[in-house]
Amino acid sequence: GDSVTQMEGPVTLSEEAFLTINCTYTATGYPSLFWYVQYPGEGLQLLLKATKADDKGSNKGFEATYRKETTSFHLEKGSVQVSDSAVYFCALFANSGNTPLVFGKGTRLSVIA
Amino acid sequence: DAGVIQSPRHEVTEMGQEVTLRCKPISGHDYLFWYRQTMMRGLELLIYFNNNVPIDDSGMPEDRFSAKMPNASFSTLKIQPSEPRDSAVYFCASSPIRGDAAFFGQGTRLTVV
Repeated sequence: GDSVTQMEGPVTLSEEAFLTINCTYTATGYPSLFWYVQYPGEGLQLLLKATKADDKGSNKGFEATYRKETTSFHLEKGSVQVSDSAVYFCALFANSGNTPLVFGKGTRLSVIA
Repeated sequence: DAGVIQSPRHEVTEMGQEVTLRCKPISGHDYLFWYRQTMMRGLELLIYFNNNVPIDDSGMPEDRFSAKMPNASFSTLKIQPSEPRDSAVYFCASSPIRGDAAFFGQGTRLTVV
């Protein structure tokens, strides 16, 4: 079935460092892809999305590009802040069939000043 | 719209008791998901509905768990009898159409003692 694999954390970075969190997926067809963020004690919030190949989702300085050829959707940010410390989840939702919304295991990011 | 609303936010109950978690999805959303999150197992899909019909309940851990969606604006997840290993944060999420982003509630933190 459909699945998402993302890099295991935790990831610890200094403020203003460059961030990459890798995400690859396995799916039949062309799913929509998402990144969610979860701050401590809160629910998951949609960070960005891409619905077709070569789309770039962006929000709050974060970006991810839907790469069909490598089945990837890596999350990047040029300069992280302490307030970016959270758990990040990659997810996919197939556009057909009965496969549900599928999440990766999450990557914990800690940014230190 | 107020977003996905879950109640209660916190629930503490004794082993053996029945627990009912409630969810009000965003109006007009056709998909509803129930997830469970623990430190050990991460985010697990329990069940999801499309137009009030359960589509996939293979993630429901055992017969003690049941979920219903009597109408488009309300869903329940029931655990009877509850056990300490059911302690987790339970999230409800809704999505307008297949392939679109899902929006999460704040979650219910369940503690079974």
